[in-house]
Amino acid sequence: GENVEQHPSTLSVQEGDSAVIKCTYSDSASNYFPWYKQELGKGPQLIIDIRSNVGEKKDQRIAVTLNKTAKHFSLHITETQPEDSAVYFCAASSRGRRGGSQGNLIFGKGTKLSVKP
Amino acid sequence: DAGVIQSPRHEVTEMGQEVTLRCKPISGHNSLFWYRQTMMRGLELLIYFNNNVPIDDSGMPEDRFSAKMPNASFSTLKIQPSEPRDSAVYFCASSLRLEFGTQYFGPGTRLTVL
Repeated sequence: GENVEQHPSTLSVQEGDSAVIKCTYSDSASNYFPWYKQELGKGPQLIIDIRSNVGEKKDQRIAVTLNKTAKHFSLHITETQPEDSAVYFCAASSRGRRGGSQGNLIFGKGTKLSVKP
Repeated sequence: DAGVIQSPRHEVTEMGQEVTLRCKPISGHNSLFWYRQTMMRGLELLIYFNNNVPIDDSGMPEDRFSAKMPNASFSTLKIQPSEPRDSAVYFCASSLRLEFGTQYFGPGTRLTVL
């Protein structure tokens, strides 16, 4: 089945610097890669996603890149702000053991991002 | 919209007791997911439904866990009997469609089994 590895587990940056989080996946059939942000005491919230037919997607200070050949994708946050501090999760779609669709999301272990003012 | 609603937000129970977690998905969403989050194992998908039908329950850890979705606006996750290792935060999420659908997470239920 699908396996998603995420690095680093913790990341500390100065306000205004860029932050990059990287993920690799194992199932070449995966075709959907969302990124979630989880603040303390809350559920994960989608911040950006990318499908397998696209190599890069941007939304203001956030961008995601996908390399299907190498089976890795990355989250880039530019001009970081203290409110970007949170745990970030990558995920990859999978058919799962019994599902016939790509509805199953396999999550990475998360990256705790700290932005110091 | 109120978003995904989960209850209770916190549950403390003793080993052996039955625990029922509840979820109300966003109105109009066709898919519902139950996740468990722990420090050791991260976010794990337990089961998901599409149009109220369970599609994949291979993530359910044991027969002690069961989930139902009697209608489009309500789902339950039951643990009977509960054990200390079940302590975790349980999230419910819903999406408009199964594939490529943005999953909207609820605030979670923090379960502690003593």
